[in-house]
Amino acid sequence: GDSVTQMEGPVTLSEEAFLTINCTYTATGYPSLFWYVQYPGEGLQLLLKATKADDKGSNKGFEATYRKETTSFHLEKGSVQVSDSAVYFCALYDYKLSFGAGTTVTVRA
Amino acid sequence: EADIYQTPRYLVIGTGKKITLECSQTMGHDKMYWYQQDPGMELHLIHYSYGVNSTEKGDLSSESTVSRIRTEHFPLTLESARPSHTSQYLCASSEYEGSGNTIYFGEGSWLTVV
Repeated sequence: GDSVTQMEGPVTLSEEAFLTINCTYTATGYPSLFWYVQYPGEGLQLLLKATKADDKGSNKGFEATYRKETTSFHLEKGSVQVSDSAVYFCALYDYKLSFGAGTTVTVRA
Repeated sequence: EADIYQTPRYLVIGTGKKITLECSQTMGHDKMYWYQQDPGMELHLIHYSYGVNSTEKGDLSSESTVSRIRTEHFPLTLESARPSHTSQYLCASSEYEGSGNTIYFGEGSWLTVV
């Protein structure tokens, strides 16, 4: 079945550091790929998405490119802020939404 | 902006009580989902629906039940709550939007069973 494997955390960074969270997937079809973010005490928010190979999703300085050849959708941000501290979930949608385990990111001032 | 609403947001109930978590969306989406999540942890799909009168169990076995009598409404019911049901329950809906499916989440219902 479909599955998502996400880099394990927790990840701790200093402000203005470069962030990468790895995500790979297994799917039988051609899924849409997503990154969701969950801030402390809040629900899930869609961060960005990509619906076909080579699409790049971007939002709030975050980017991820749908790589079909490596079945990956790694999340990157060039300069993180304290306000980026959250749990990040990679997900794919084929006929239902499947999530990775989540990566907790803490950014220190 | 997503229009999907969950009530109650926070609830503390006693063991053995019956509880229904409400979820409504005003987007006319056919597909709806319930996920269970312990704080900061992985989400587990417990129920989904592809339309009115359609309900399926998800990947994680759950003692809860759901119904889909109207497109906009997808309530989740626990007949007899136990402390092991303490968790966050997230409702979501989705629809194909031309560029692919996008899934929208409610803000979640935090359930504590004492």
